[in-house]
Amino acid sequence: GENVGLHLPTLSVQEGDNSIINCAYSNSASDYFIWYKQESGKGPQFIIDIRSNMDKRQGQRVTVLLNKTVKHLSLQIAATQPGDSAVYFCAENPYDKIIFGKGTRLHILP
Amino acid sequence: DSGVTQTPKHLITATGQRVTLRCSPRSGDLSVYWYQQSLDQGLQFLIQYYNGEERAKGNILERFSAQQFPDLHSELNLSSLELGDSALYFCASSPSTGDYTGELFFGEGSRLTVL
Repeated sequence: GENVGLHLPTLSVQEGDNSIINCAYSNSASDYFIWYKQESGKGPQFIIDIRSNMDKRQGQRVTVLLNKTVKHLSLQIAATQPGDSAVYFCAENPYDKIIFGKGTRLHILP
Repeated sequence: DSGVTQTPKHLITATGQRVTLRCSPRSGDLSVYWYQQSLDQGLQFLIQYYNGEERAKGNILERFSAQQFPDLHSELNLSSLELGDSALYFCASSPSTGDYTGELFFGEGSRLTVL
């Protein structure tokens, strides 16, 4: 079914530490996964994507890991900054749709 | 600025009423997606259009309908409104030709409040 879920609704991280946001998906038909960031009062913004033929992809300060065996996706943010404070969504593309998970709120501690 | 324009930004109306939300996609993008985001909820996929044609449907209520016009702008019509329809409605566009990959560019959303 359409079930892109997240393990934790809120994650608090010390500024400067690394953040890891997790996502479980259930659609084996999905072959493309995306992470989006939504700041307060704004629409979601693309962070990084990964195709199912890869297990890791790196961007600027972000890394996405994909484990197809257990249908798990994670977003790692290095050296978390105050500007990283937002809600993070994973999304997948099963059956001609793009489905989003419920989101994880990342809270940065000073 | 994503290049996607949504109007109105805020809308307050009463139960039983009908509203229309409008979306102008980024120049050149043929795909338009509509999502509903309730308080502390994720983004619920409603419907997608590609070059004027409906491509995919999600959990869209029968009271809701949408269309994409020849100039590629899209409208989401919500009728017989209920309190539970209060939410942020996002439109997103994509240059994707239909393989459901690639970035979605989101508008700032239309916040609907039903009283």
